[in-house]
Amino acid sequence: QSALTQPPSASGSPGQSVTIPCSGTSSDVGGYNYVSWYQQYPGKAPKLMIFEVSKRPSGVPNRFSGSKSGNTASLTVSGLQAEDEAFYYCSSYAGSNVVVFGGGTKLTVL
Amino acid sequence: EVQLLESGGDFIQPGGSLRVSCTTSGFTFSSYAMNWVRQAPGKGLEWVSGILGSGQTTYYADSVKGRFTISRDNSKDTLYLQMNSLRGEDTAIYYCAKGSLWYGFDVWGQGTTVTVSS
Repeated sequence: QSALTQPPSASGSPGQSVTIPCSGTSSDVGGYNYVSWYQQYPGKAPKLMIFEVSKRPSGVPNRFSGSKSGNTASLTVSGLQAEDEAFYYCSSYAGSNVVVFGGGTKLTVL
Repeated sequence: EVQLLESGGDFIQPGGSLRVSCTTSGFTFSSYAMNWVRQAPGKGLEWVSGILGSGQTTYYADSVKGRFTISRDNSKDTLYLQMNSLRGEDTAIYYCAKGSLWYGFDVWGQGTTVTVSS
């Protein structure tokens, strides 16, 4: 049950696009299309932004998109806005009825 | 409106036990899997445990297996986490989260804080 790998930080200017990678293995990210992404503001609970690799829950702006290639999933935020500054966590089903999270990426809007 | 409200967090000595609860409203509780996810101070998220709607099937992370027990009372729309043999590394905010292991956790509570220290 090893954690997924995310860069500790990412940044972009308003209006730009930024992509946050989430690296796993063939036992988790690469083995299942069950990757989710969460947004968390400091002191607040996480919020589901993407599930099943690329699906958006109702109410999540279409500026947020997800994808996967091999053992790496990615979250792309297009048309960056100041309110997008937050921590982002990926997670994946890892088989044997276990879920693993990434270490989190702090997204800064410059 | 779907709501999850955790309670029961406390300051406890190593080796001690504690039960945290999550009361829910706004959805048919017995129809949904539920989970506990924790976040140590300044750290990332860690999935702890999950339970199916019927309560008959439970899942645990290796880090808590044998020490923690997840359960639910569908008549009270409430989720529980019994934590035994607590260690310093169990210090965290404990969130309850609605959803299956496969399709993401779509609703989260505000969390309850457990501090394990002598």
